This record gives sequence, C-alpha cells and structure tokens, in this order.
Amino acid sequence: AQSVSQHNHHVILSEAASLELGCNYSYGGTVNLFWYVQYPGQHLQLLLKYFSGDPLVKGIKGFEAEFIKSKFSFNLRKPSVQWSDTAEYFCAVNARNNDMRFGAGTRLTVKP
Amino acid sequence: DTEVTQTPKHLVMGMTNKKSLKCEQHMGHRAMYWYKQKAKKPPELMFVYSYEKLSINESVPSRFSPECPNSSLLNLHLHALQPEDSALYLCASSQDLQGHSPLHFGNGTRLTVT
Repeated sequence: AQSVSQHNHHVILSEAASLELGCNYSYGGTVNLFWYVQYPGQHLQLLLKYFSGDPLVKGIKGFEAEFIKSKFSFNLRKPSVQWSDTAEYFCAVNARNNDMRFGAGTRLTVKP
Repeated sequence: DTEVTQTPKHLVMGMTNKKSLKCEQHMGHRAMYWYKQKAKKPPELMFVYSYEKLSINESVPSRFSPECPNSSLLNLHLHALQPEDSALYLCASSQDLQGHSPLHFGNGTRLTVT
C-alpha cells in the first residue's frame, strides 16, 4: 500500500512569512494527491488536489502545490501566511480506488 | 459547514455497551468511509463502501461493524469496545470511484470508552 511522509511536525511562522510544507509518498504507480486542512475545532477540508495535467496546482486561500514525479513529492506553498492559516495540514495520497491515506500532519502556528 | 452529517457529536460508553454512530450525506456520492483519528494523529482508514458494498476493511477488529443501508447512510455499530478505542470517528464521502474526487468529511463523533 502507499504511504505518505510529512517532514515537518510543527512549523511556527510570523505573519507575511513564506510557507513550504514537505510531503513525500511511496508508491510506484499512478497516484492522486491532496492537501487537506483542519482548522481548530473544524472538520477536514480540501485545500487542493492533483491527479493529472499541470503539476503546479492552485487551491483555495492562496495555497499552491507542486507535484514532482521524480522526487515523489507534493509540497505545499504559500507566499505570505496569515494568522488565520493556523491549522493542521495533511497531505494525502489515493493510489487505488478510494484508498485515501494521510500523512502524519504538520501543525502550523502563525504568530500575529 | 459540512454536507456530511454525523450523529451523535459526543458519545460516552462503557465496555459492555452497544451503540451506533450514524453518518448521512445527500450529495449523491457513491463512496463512503469511516476513519479513526486519535489526538494529534492523522485519520486512519477503517472501512470503505462503494455502491453500498464493503470494498475496503483495514483489518479492523470485529467489535466495529459497519453497515451501509442505502447510498446516503453509513452506520458504525460498536460493541465491547476498549478504552483505547476512544477517538474521533470521522465519516467521509466522495463522488467517484477512481480516486480523483476529494473526500468530504463530517465533523466527527468524539467517542470515549470508559
């Protein structure tokens, strides 16, 4: 089965700083890739997804991610974070039908 | 607000109790999921239903018994649970069966086993 690694467990940034969260997966075949966000006390929500086409995908709230097949990576970026971006971020991979696996998550704290 | 509704929001049960968690969606999604999430951990896949048939069971103990009565409803029947089963139980649904569609999550049921 596929697996997902997120390198950063807890990231602390000041407002307006740039963000990059790492995500690597292990699976030899075709994958569908996702980033989800969980704001405090809220349900998991989709930030963005990739399954084909342009490897640079844009999501909600100014987030984007780049799929690099040769590196098995799907890193999440945002040029300038806001206090409201404080949340838990999960990378997820779906390598076979409906088998969505999540990484361990990265907790982002943005200081005002 | 989420379009996947889970009830109850909180549940406390003893180890000898039988209870059920319920999940409902009216988006016409044909895949429904149960995940378990412990504090500060990612969601762990438990079960997947596709077109009301169980398609994935991640070696979940038999004290958890899923049921999909129709395309909108998903239940998780609980019996003889252990304290370590205390967690947030998340229901999700997705539109397609090829893995392209994202999951839509409910708010979860926070289960405490005493």
